[in-house]
Formats: sequence, structure tokens, C-alpha cells
Amino acid sequence: RKEVEQDPGPFNVPEGATVAFNCTYSNSASQSFFWYRQDCRKEPKLLMSVYSSGNEDGRFTAQLNRASQYISLLIRDSKLSDSATYLCVVSLDETDSWGKFQFGAGTQVVVTP
Amino acid sequence: GAVVSQHPSWVICKSGTSVKIECRSLDFQATTMFWYRQFPKQSLMLMATSNEGSKATYEQGVEKDKFLINHASLTLSTLTVTSAHPEDSSFYICSARDTLGAAEQYFGPGTRLTVT
Repeated sequence: RKEVEQDPGPFNVPEGATVAFNCTYSNSASQSFFWYRQDCRKEPKLLMSVYSSGNEDGRFTAQLNRASQYISLLIRDSKLSDSATYLCVVSLDETDSWGKFQFGAGTQVVVTP
Repeated sequence: GAVVSQHPSWVICKSGTSVKIECRSLDFQATTMFWYRQFPKQSLMLMATSNEGSKATYEQGVEKDKFLINHASLTLSTLTVTSAHPEDSSFYICSARDTLGAAEQYFGPGTRLTVT
């Protein structure tokens, strides 16, 4: 079983619509959670950190459910520029692992006109 | 802020030669840097964790004598692919964590290596 699992998609989303997807993680000791986006043949860029209380950044909302060990990302009012692969990232306590990241395989989102 | 650079951005080399890739944190100090490899349509695979002033820690299955890592300063880590073979062709990406302790990693733009 993979440490971090994501639906690979693609999620085909009409421009202006809302899309949401989840990611599950297996290690209950995980401490930090992030969403990164990666465009084709580019490096991952930090989209947002995910906090226990949930957090919002503009059109993006992230939620963390520790009991069920999943995080979610919701994108409202989708733009064409939101088309990318969204990587779910989980990090263990840094005292044991220097804060190594565990990546999901990514969820591809394609926003269509 | 939090900019990481990599050099070169792409390189083509002949089988058997060595290639050095540099990773620099431009506006922050990074005690810890990470080296990843990514094959097409696959996720990033961690190769090693590089801590300033100490030996790198390699992930299982990664040959430390083939992928030499040096983290000589708080802003520079290098990865040398020795005696490269075509199967080493990949996208190599580094990331860095700020010494101030935040958990986020900031990624360099990557180096595309092609071994002929």
C-alpha cells in the first residue's frame, strides 16, 4: 500500500466550476501536510500548507481530517491556469526524518473553456 | 522569497562521463536539502537527504558511490552523477528547507539529464 494515495484523474472541469479531490495517508504520525502544484516538465510549487483547522487562500480551500487520515483540496471558480497536477505531500516529524516529504502520485486537473 | 536555483537546467552527456548539478538557495539558508528524481508520468522519488557539513543519507536502492552529494555550505548542495548511463536519464530536482525550521520545501527548477 502506498504511503500517500491520490486519485490520478484527470478531472475535467469546465471553466468557472468547482472541483474537489482528496488524498489519504497511511502514517498516523504524519505532522505536516501540503498541496503542491506541478505543471508539465516543471518543478513542484507550493500551493498551500494544510492546517488542522482548515485554511483558505483565495479560491483554494484545504482541509485536514486526522481521524480519517485524509486531506482535501477544493478549487472554486476554476481558471484555465489551474490546469496542472496537484501533489499531496505529507511529512513526518523532522526529528526522525529531517522532514522528508512523501508524495502522492498527483491528481491531474484539466480546466476546459 | 524562498527561491532555489539549479544549474544546469539541462545537460546531454555521453555514457561513462560524470555530470555535476548544483542546487542553491538564493535568499535563505538551508541546513537540509533534498535530491529527487522524476521519470515521465511518475511522482518524485527521493534519492537522498543532504545536511550541511555532514554525509548525505541515501534512500534504499540509491547507490551513494554513483550519486555523490556534497553540501558544503548553507546555500549550496551538489549532486554528481558518476559514470552516467542511459538509464540515468531523468529529471533531477532539488529542494531546500529554511534553517528557521519551517516544514515547507522549496524546489529548484530541475535539471533534465540525457545520457547518450
